[in-house]
Amino acid sequence: GAVVSQHPSWVICKSGTSVKIECRSLDFQATTMFWYRQFPKQSLMLMATSNEGSKATYEQGVEKDKFLINHASLTLSTLTVTSAHPEDSSFYICSARSGTGGGTEAFFGQGTRLTVV
Amino acid sequence: GEDVEQSLFLSVREGDSSVINCTYTDSSSTYLYWYKQEPGAGLQLLTYIFSNMDMKQDQRLTVLLNKKDKHLSLRIADTQTGDSAIYFCAEIANQAGTALIFGKGTTLSVSS
Repeated sequence: GAVVSQHPSWVICKSGTSVKIECRSLDFQATTMFWYRQFPKQSLMLMATSNEGSKATYEQGVEKDKFLINHASLTLSTLTVTSAHPEDSSFYICSARSGTGGGTEAFFGQGTRLTVV
Repeated sequence: GEDVEQSLFLSVREGDSSVINCTYTDSSSTYLYWYKQEPGAGLQLLTYIFSNMDMKQDQRLTVLLNKKDKHLSLRIADTQTGDSAIYFCAEIANQAGTALIFGKGTTLSVSS
């Protein structure tokens, strides 16, 4: 099946610094990528929908100035957590769909564990 | 808005069958999915079912869909210790660019 690669798998950063997470679709073009955040023992909460070449659509309650999303190409979307704080520590997962119809499979990256100290 | 509900925990013995249940509210859901998440890992698609189907079987996995009651279940036959994980039910409407809506996940614990 299609592969979505997320990098890094884990990162530890100091409070106040910024962290960039990359999400790449390796063998297909993803016009739409999704960024989720998962708290311990909880479900995945959609943060934003990222469309290639346009601004991301953020879910209610997600600060777009804090979580910068760039989808510069059909195979790469990035999430930058700016001025990270300990409460931003979480598991971030990206997803990409290989088509535009409702039935196309969504492929997930392996996730990035962010710890802000 | 859309909502997906799951029971949070299930404990079974190795060799038994496991049944994980899910209910959803969006009647426009066209596809329903089951994902598996192992500790510290991303999500692995197990199976999915189109809304005009009642049942889908894939090796040890059987998915049952009751569209009238908006109820979805995943049955794992001959459950193994390697099946211990969190299982997420997810739905999607038939709209381009729509994200999956996930339930909170069911933690399956398999004891030997």
